[in-house]
Amino acid sequence: DAKTTQPNSMESNEEEPVHLPCNHSTISGTDYIHWYRQLPSQGPEYVIHGLTSNVNNRMASLAIAEDRKSSTLILHRATLRDAAVYYCILRDSGGGADGLTFGKGTHLIIQP
Amino acid sequence: EPEVTQTPSHQVTQMGQEVILRCVPISNHLYFYWYRQILGQKVEFLVSFYNNEISEKSEIFDDQFSVERPDGSNFTLKIRSTKLEDSAMYFCASSEQGYSFYGYTFGSGTRLTVV
Repeated sequence: DAKTTQPNSMESNEEEPVHLPCNHSTISGTDYIHWYRQLPSQGPEYVIHGLTSNVNNRMASLAIAEDRKSSTLILHRATLRDAAVYYCILRDSGGGADGLTFGKGTHLIIQP
Repeated sequence: EPEVTQTPSHQVTQMGQEVILRCVPISNHLYFYWYRQILGQKVEFLVSFYNNEISEKSEIFDDQFSVERPDGSNFTLKIRSTKLEDSAMYFCASSEQGYSFYGYTFGSGTRLTVV
């Protein structure tokens, strides 16, 4: 799997937007960009994914650079419940039951 | 919202004993997975399962591990002879399809402690 690079940690204030960056300079044309998060003492949770276009869902937005070498997960209005480790993961579109390769992710701290 | 259910939430076992961790994936999902997370470390892929057979497995998934779908709803991970280093959180996950544009749904995990 192509490698991703994320900051170890970020801090934000409650009710403010949060932009979580991810670099994936070796991404291939067929890789999807997935984001998961892991709240304390819980299993990972799917957040969002995209291929080329920006994506929005009820949890977050995903902004993908035009060259696809980086992406940003946007939480529009952070709450204390959004404090978690956020993982940016690439998955080849070839399909099959391949496993996800988790890195260390970004530990997001939300200040009240 | 549909959930992946794992039981038990915490299991303590003696070294050398066999353990079975149980999972009930989401009912219309076809792909099933086990991951583990040793305390303070990354989430690691163990195995994927589709159409009643293993599709992919990692180096961690050696002969001590096995998986089974004994009926239409349960998915189990068996560790035959547990070692101290098997102590970890074990997460089950399922996916509707195996294509990379589908997300996974993870369970809350089973904390396995080997003493």
